[in-house]
Amino acid sequence: LAKTTQPISMDSYEGQEVNITCSHNNIATNDYITWYQQFPSQGPRFIIQGYKTKVTNEVASLFIPADRKSSTLSLPRVSLSDTAVYYCLVGDRQTGANNLFFGTGTRLTVIP
Amino acid sequence: NAGVTQTPKFRILKIGQSMTLQCAQDMNHNYMYWYRQDPGMGLKLIYYSVGAGITDKGEVPNGYNVSRSTTEDFPLRLELAAPSQTSVYFCASSYLPVPQGAQYFGPGTRLLVL
Repeated sequence: LAKTTQPISMDSYEGQEVNITCSHNNIATNDYITWYQQFPSQGPRFIIQGYKTKVTNEVASLFIPADRKSSTLSLPRVSLSDTAVYYCLVGDRQTGANNLFFGTGTRLTVIP
Repeated sequence: NAGVTQTPKFRILKIGQSMTLQCAQDMNHNYMYWYRQDPGMGLKLIYYSVGAGITDKGEVPNGYNVSRSTTEDFPLRLELAAPSQTSVYFCASSYLPVPQGAQYFGPGTRLLVL
């Protein structure tokens, strides 16, 4: 199983770019990397998913180096509303939900 | 679309009581999931379903049961509630199997067992 390691918490000022790195040293060939965001008292929300190199959508970018042993979620110009817990998940389609673990995530606090 | 809905929002149970947490989705997703989240922790998978009539255990299935008679509904049954089942329960669905498919989560049911 590909275990993930993320920082427990991060602080950032409004307007800054935030990069949250996730380590997954034993990622398997077929594993995807997925990030979710969770606000207090809400269910998680899908942000972005990637397999290799770089993926960008309207919310974030995901950078994955060639060895895929880590990934970085980049949030451009954060605002107070980006204060949330961010989860990095690694898993493959073959084993599915049973091998997709949320972990404790990274608690991002955006400061005015 | 309402997405994923869950009822009730909050419930207090006495030890030994039973209840059913309701989950429904209107996105015609085949895949549905039940998670629990304890304070300050990540989500743990209880049960999941890949389609009507098919369910399977997740990481923490003990003390729970599920059924999937329709594509839309995926109720979670708690038998003989225990204090250890105090948690927030999230239901989710996806169009494709995870991790390929993004999961859409409901608002959660907060359960307190006293």
